[in-house]
Amino acid sequence: SQTIHQWPATLVQPVGSPLSLECTVEGTSNPNLYWYRQAAGRGLQLLFYSVGIGQISSEVPQNLSASRPQDRQFILSSKKLLLSDSGFYLCAWGDNEKLFFGSGTQLSVL
Amino acid sequence: KNQVEQSPQSLIILEGKNCTLQCNYTVSPFSNLRWYKQDTGRGPVSLTIMTFSENTKSNGRYTATLDADTKQSSLHITASQLSDSASYICVVSALGTYKYIFGTGTRLKVLA
Repeated sequence: SQTIHQWPATLVQPVGSPLSLECTVEGTSNPNLYWYRQAAGRGLQLLFYSVGIGQISSEVPQNLSASRPQDRQFILSSKKLLLSDSGFYLCAWGDNEKLFFGSGTQLSVL
Repeated sequence: KNQVEQSPQSLIILEGKNCTLQCNYTVSPFSNLRWYKQDTGRGPVSLTIMTFSENTKSNGRYTATLDADTKQSSLHITASQLSDSASYICVVSALGTYKYIFGTGTRLKVLA
């Protein structure tokens, strides 16, 4: 069966520090991978999606970047975090039938 | 513009009661509609998924309906339990895209 791993669960980072969130998927090949951000009490905002290794589409211009170095690995990064980067980050994988989410990372930028 | 709107924004009910959550969408061309349950601080978990030809789908005490003509869906929760307290999110996908359009969710609180 397919599983998705996302870590860390919580992260507190100072403004200006770098960020790296990792997501890996098991039990499927060539999945579509997604990074979402959810502000408190708000809906999910699509940040990046990838349909294959090295293929990244960005939805909103911002301080973040994404990479897919392997088929089942998706990484969200930032060189310098801003206060506005705080939020709940969710990785997901999907196809026409399924859309599964990771457990999320609560990022607080102080 | 592809949009998904949910109502009510929040809802409080007593344990054991039923409730219905609404989802209206303007996504075209329509592919499928999903309902998710999201506990605070956790990732969303799938409850149901419906395609164009499906009118009703159940998952235990959760029953989702879809009217593709009026572009409306509902999620009915029967005999609510305290553990049903969560946000319920409606998600619609369009044919030929890799993207999903999310509603802002309904926050349900079930009281003892």
